[in-house]
Amino acid sequence: NAGVTQTPKFQVLKTGQSMTLQCAQDMNHNSMYWYRQDPGMGLRLIYYSASEGTTDKGEVPNGYNVSRLNKREFSLRLESAAPSQTSVYFCASSYRGGYTEAFFGQGTRLTVV
Amino acid sequence: EDKVVQSPLSLVVHEGDTVTLNCSYEVTNFRSLLWYKQEKKAPTFLFMLTSSGIEKKSGRLSSILDKKELFSILNITATQTGDSAVYLCAVILTGGGNKLTFGTGTQLKVEL
Repeated sequence: NAGVTQTPKFQVLKTGQSMTLQCAQDMNHNSMYWYRQDPGMGLRLIYYSASEGTTDKGEVPNGYNVSRLNKREFSLRLESAAPSQTSVYFCASSYRGGYTEAFFGQGTRLTVV
Repeated sequence: EDKVVQSPLSLVVHEGDTVTLNCSYEVTNFRSLLWYKQEKKAPTFLFMLTSSGIEKKSGRLSSILDKKELFSILNITATQTGDSAVYLCAVILTGGGNKLTFGTGTQLKVEL
């Protein structure tokens, strides 16, 4: 019973490098979300996807892109990493958006130097 | 702009105390409010509230929603050190992708 799986768990990047954070869920959920968490800031929504083939910007989308590859997978890409993107990233999914709770992955700790 | 505000930002209590955490929201197209507990790792789900005035309860934790005044409270009775965590409130909006927006959280520390 894997739930929501994020890879990698830890990553160190140099400024300007690119990378993709992977997220997959095996619960047949329709909605998926990417958040970043910084000290004292709670969870801030980067992008979300109500269903396969749709994506929408959240509160802090600048510097990121996403792909909803299929119903299971929702990836987050940093094209040119900046130190301000140092954070813990969480992926989440829910079965029916506003009607059911969201389940979270274990997070990716990203450091940009 | 959608806004979810939690108070207090942090709180220190002694074991056995009762605490009340607050969450107020100013959003368009409200559907549901959720509470999560976060201990170092991923948030874990506590409650989902959709209707006003109906208390949700799980052990020593309970929560209620007031859709007229746009707030919710989370109560924890007879607190234990294991209740130490960040408690997060989130709202789900209808339409346009079921956006899930979180507050900044309340850091609760329970001391012996």
